[in-house]
Amino acid sequence: AQSVTQLDSQVPVFEEAPVELRCNYSSSVSVYLFWYVQYPNQGLQLLLKYLSGSTLVKGINGFEAEFNKSQTSFHLRKPSVHISDTAEYFCAVSDWNTDKLIFGTGTRLQVFP
Amino acid sequence: DAGVIQSPRHEVTEMGQEVTLRCKPISGHNSLFWYRQTMMRGLELLIYFNNNVPIDDSGMPEDRFSAKMPNASFSTLKIQPSEPRDSAVYFCASSRETSEAFFGQGTRLTVV
Repeated sequence: AQSVTQLDSQVPVFEEAPVELRCNYSSSVSVYLFWYVQYPNQGLQLLLKYLSGSTLVKGINGFEAEFNKSQTSFHLRKPSVHISDTAEYFCAVSDWNTDKLIFGTGTRLQVFP
Repeated sequence: DAGVIQSPRHEVTEMGQEVTLRCKPISGHNSLFWYRQTMMRGLELLIYFNNNVPIDDSGMPEDRFSAKMPNASFSTLKIQPSEPRDSAVYFCASSRETSEAFFGQGTRLTVV
């Protein structure tokens, strides 16, 4: 069975600073990986996804993530954050055999001026 | 397409009452997911369907919860009887093959 671990429940950062949100997964089969963002009182919106190919994936709003198979990680990065990036970020995994999509517990990114 | 549509957006009910949450997936999507989100437990997968068939309901908390998908354009999640601990935001999501899941706006359920 798959599982996802997001190591940081909260990440405070100042505006224009770089940020990395960590995600590790476990699975016995090959996986697809996703990052979603949730703004207050809204549903989840896809930031980026890794299905195959290049391990560096670029998404919306200037975010990117790198798939590292040996470390079973899929960390999310942004070189310079904005106040508007304040939100909850979820890492998710599904395997090649099923559509079952499992989420991590989320990381709250708080950007301060 | 209007996206995944959930109704109602908010539901307040008394303990012991039956609650039915509704979801209309995106047309052409063949997988549908029901999630529950709480502060304590985060985003939990309750059940998912593929081509209208329940594939994995291991996340359904107990027999009070049931879900159906009578056709490709409609699904329900029912709680009977409801309890205060069921208070949460319930999300429906749909996807096509193994592409990303699209989420509805959620139903905020409060059981008093």
